[in-house]
Amino acid sequence: DAGVTQSPTHLIKTRGQQVTLRCSPKSGHDTVSWYQQALGQGPQFIFQYYEEEERQRGNFPDRFSGHQFPNYSSELNVNALLLGDSALYLCASSFGAGANVLTFGAGSRLTVL
Amino acid sequence: QQQVKQSPQSLIVQKGGISIINCAYENTAFDYFPWYQQFPGKGPALLIAIRPDVSEKKEGRFTISFNKSAKQFSLHIMDSQPGDSATYFCAASIANTDKLIFGTGTRLQVFP
Repeated sequence: DAGVTQSPTHLIKTRGQQVTLRCSPKSGHDTVSWYQQALGQGPQFIFQYYEEEERQRGNFPDRFSGHQFPNYSSELNVNALLLGDSALYLCASSFGAGANVLTFGAGSRLTVL
Repeated sequence: QQQVKQSPQSLIVQKGGISIINCAYENTAFDYFPWYQQFPGKGPALLIAIRPDVSEKKEGRFTISFNKSAKQFSLHIMDSQPGDSATYFCAASIANTDKLIFGTGTRLQVFP
């Protein structure tokens, strides 16, 4: 049973570029949440998708956007990249929004130069 | 009020010893308190979680102690092993949301 899978594993971008990160939830899960984890810090909630809609959003600017597809997979898009966007981006899935029990993927490490 | 404060930042324990990590919160609406374990290059993995209707929960060598009046909770790792060496995060969330508020993490090193 595959857990949460994320791609790409690592990527390097330059300031001002745009990036798309992808996530496939654990089998049986229908809700996807995205977190940003800066080096040496705890993860910070970006937003959550359920039934293809953004259900909750953390304190992140509109440059951060997402999408959920009918097969429950999700994308995180970040526009106009800043140096401060360099972080590990974690996808977490769960069954049913508000269930609290999250399964995290290994993350996508984004470096912005 | 949305913060979860975690201490210590790092912890060194001898094999077989007890590791204790503490967290404190302000928001009384929090009602779910999980602990996550993260190894280098991996995502956080749920270790154990508690809700405020109980004061303690034990799973194997891992125990959460919860003090609702003090708004504090802690993780105790009994008989610590080198394989427990990882970063541990406490977190909290409000009912019916998956918005976890994480602490800043504790890097645990267990030496043989």
